[in-house]
Amino acid sequence: ILNVEQSPQSLHVQEGDSTNFTCSFPSSNFYALHWYRWETAKSPEALFVMTLNGDEKKKGRISATLNTKEGYSYLYIKGSQPEDSATYLCAFDSNYQLIWGAGTKLIIKP
Amino acid sequence: EAGVAQSPRYKIIEKRQSVAFWCNPISGHATLYWYQQILGQGPKLLIQFQNNGVVDDSQLPKDRFSAERLKGVDSTLKIQPAKLEDSAVYLCASSPSYGPNQPQHFGDGTRLSIL
Repeated sequence: ILNVEQSPQSLHVQEGDSTNFTCSFPSSNFYALHWYRWETAKSPEALFVMTLNGDEKKKGRISATLNTKEGYSYLYIKGSQPEDSATYLCAFDSNYQLIWGAGTKLIIKP
Repeated sequence: EAGVAQSPRYKIIEKRQSVAFWCNPISGHATLYWYQQILGQGPKLLIQFQNNGVVDDSQLPKDRFSAERLKGVDSTLKIQPAKLEDSAVYLCASSPSYGPNQPQHFGDGTRLSIL
């Protein structure tokens, strides 16, 4: 059974601080690793699709790294803002199907 | 570009009743997905269509759930009869084609509560 783990489950961060969280996935049968942001009452939004070991992607203040050999990815948010409050989901792309983690719920305190 | 449209946004029914959800994917997207997301868990794929054909329905509880995408565009997901454990958010997503590395575009979801 393929398992995707995200940690921590939830996180409270002071506005202006930087933060990061982890996605762990199987290191075999890897096609890609996806990151999504899901704000309350909105639809999940794709952030990154990462395919190569050592990949680094950046979108504004958000960046992600990928280690396929050891099976983990980090998502970093620099200088957190209230609009960053959301659940961040990762999904392991294997055999044309996404296996999802349960998400990290990020709450930014003003 | 218009996004993925889903309706209704919310639905409350009693157990053993029936319910149907509707999804209109982004125009031109060949692949359509239905997910079930139970509180505290990641989304679980129920069924995946490529045009009007089923690619994967291995996790669809076929004794009570059914889905169709007759003309390869809109799709409906039905639950009949509903059980308490079906309370969840039902998400529809679409992507341009079938294959790895395809970001999926999601609708706002339907929040289903079973009483």
